Amino acid sequence: EDKVVQSPLSLVVHEGDTVTLNCSYEVTNFRSLLWYKQEKKAPTFLFMLTSSGIEKKSGRLSSILDKKELFSILNITATQTGDSAIYLCAFLSNYGGATNKLIFGTGTLLAVQP
Amino acid sequence: DGGITQSPKYLFRKEGQNVTLSCEQNLNHDAMYWYRQDPGQGLRLIYYSQIVNDFQKGDIAEGYSVSREKKESFPLTVTSAQKNPTAFYLCASILGGAGNQPQHFGDGTRLSIL
Repeated sequence: EDKVVQSPLSLVVHEGDTVTLNCSYEVTNFRSLLWYKQEKKAPTFLFMLTSSGIEKKSGRLSSILDKKELFSILNITATQTGDSAIYLCAFLSNYGGATNKLIFGTGTLLAVQP
Repeated sequence: DGGITQSPKYLFRKEGQNVTLSCEQNLNHDAMYWYRQDPGQGLRLIYYSQIVNDFQKGDIAEGYSVSREKKESFPLTVTSAQKNPTAFYLCASILGGAGNQPQHFGDGTRLSIL
C-alpha cells in the first residue's frame, strides 16, 4: 500500500531558527513529490520535485528529493512567525495513464515563536 | 480571477440528513478531487474524476457520493451512511494529462454534526 510518512509531527522553534522537515515514502508509479503549506484554509503549493539531488529554492525555503532512499526534506532558514503552518508532503502517482492521484502525509505542524 | 470556489464555508448536518458540498472551478481543469482532513491527519482522498460523467472512488469513499455532469462542477454529497462526517473538506483540480502539475485547492468546507 502506498504511504507517505512525515516527521516530526509537530515542532516549536523560535524566530531565526532553521528547521528541517522530513518526508519518506513508499509508492508505486511515482511521478513526483510535492510540498504544500497549509495555514487556515487551502494548502498552497510550494515545490514539486521529480529528479533526485536537484535542490529547489524559493526565498528562505528549499527542498530536495532522494529517489534512491525514498525521502525528501524541506528546509526553512531564518524562520519567521508567518512560517507557522502545517506543511504537507504528497506524492503524485500515475494510475492508468492520465490519472494524477495525490497521496498526502499527515503533515508537520510548525509553530514559530517570536 | 480563475480559481476553485467551495461553498458553503461552514455546514451543519442533522442526524439522518444528506448534505451536498459544492465545488466549482473556472480553470478549465479536467480532473477534480475531493479530500477529507481530520485533526492531526493529512488529506485523504474521497473521490476523483478525470473527465465529465466519470469518477472513481478514493481511499475513503464509503458514505459519500459525487457527480460530474459538467466539467466545472464536482459536488460531493455526504450521506446519512457516513457516521462520522465532521471534518474539513477540500476540493482540488488539475489540468489533466500525463504531465506533472500541482493541484489547485479551494478554501474548504467545514462540516459539523448538530
